[in-house]
Amino acid sequence: AQSVTQPDIHITVSEGASLELRCNYSYGATPYLFWYVQSPGQGLQLLLKYFSGDTLVQGIKGFEAEFKRSQSSFNLRKPSVHWSDAAEYFCAVGPYNTDKLIFGTGTRLQVFP
Amino acid sequence: EAGVTQSPTHLIKTRGQQATLRCSPISGHTSVYWYQQALGLGLQFLLWYDEGEERNRGNFPPRFSGRQFPNYSSELNVNALELEDSALYLCASSSPVEAGPNTDTQYFGPGTRLTVL
Repeated sequence: AQSVTQPDIHITVSEGASLELRCNYSYGATPYLFWYVQSPGQGLQLLLKYFSGDTLVQGIKGFEAEFKRSQSSFNLRKPSVHWSDAAEYFCAVGPYNTDKLIFGTGTRLQVFP
Repeated sequence: EAGVTQSPTHLIKTRGQQATLRCSPISGHTSVYWYQQALGLGLQFLLWYDEGEERNRGNFPPRFSGRQFPNYSSELNVNALELEDSALYLCASSSPVEAGPNTDTQYFGPGTRLTVL
């Protein structure tokens, strides 16, 4: 079955610290992978996506993610977190040719000054 | 370029009533998706419309329905509302498949928060 697992429900970091949010997927074919961010009461904003090619992808707001096929992972990283990064982060997987996205349960990021 | 828009922002209904939610996709996008984000249940796929046709449907009862209009905007209708329908309903859009490799990216609107009392 297709699924996405985000093992960390809640992460707290200090401002300026590095960040890694974990995402593991189960998918029959080559997946398309996405990270979205959701601020409280808001919709989802696309941070980055992986379709093919270079396994390290750069996104907006200084985020990057690395696709590791052998580990079925697509972890999100940021070298130095800002207080404005506090939000909920969702990893998602989808097929080619547009169709539903399958989302993980999300990781809530809290940033302390 | 304007993003995906949704209306209303908030909607309060009582059990048994009907709710209608609206979505306007990004200009040039032909696909519209609906997702439900309910507390404790995460983001669940509801419906996918493309070129006016329903292409896929999530595991929701038939009282959740919708349509896509010739201008590619979409409506989600929820009949016989139940308390557990209270959620944030998110609409997303994507561009036509033939447009190239970025067609599989879904861009989301701000959502409509439906509260059923």
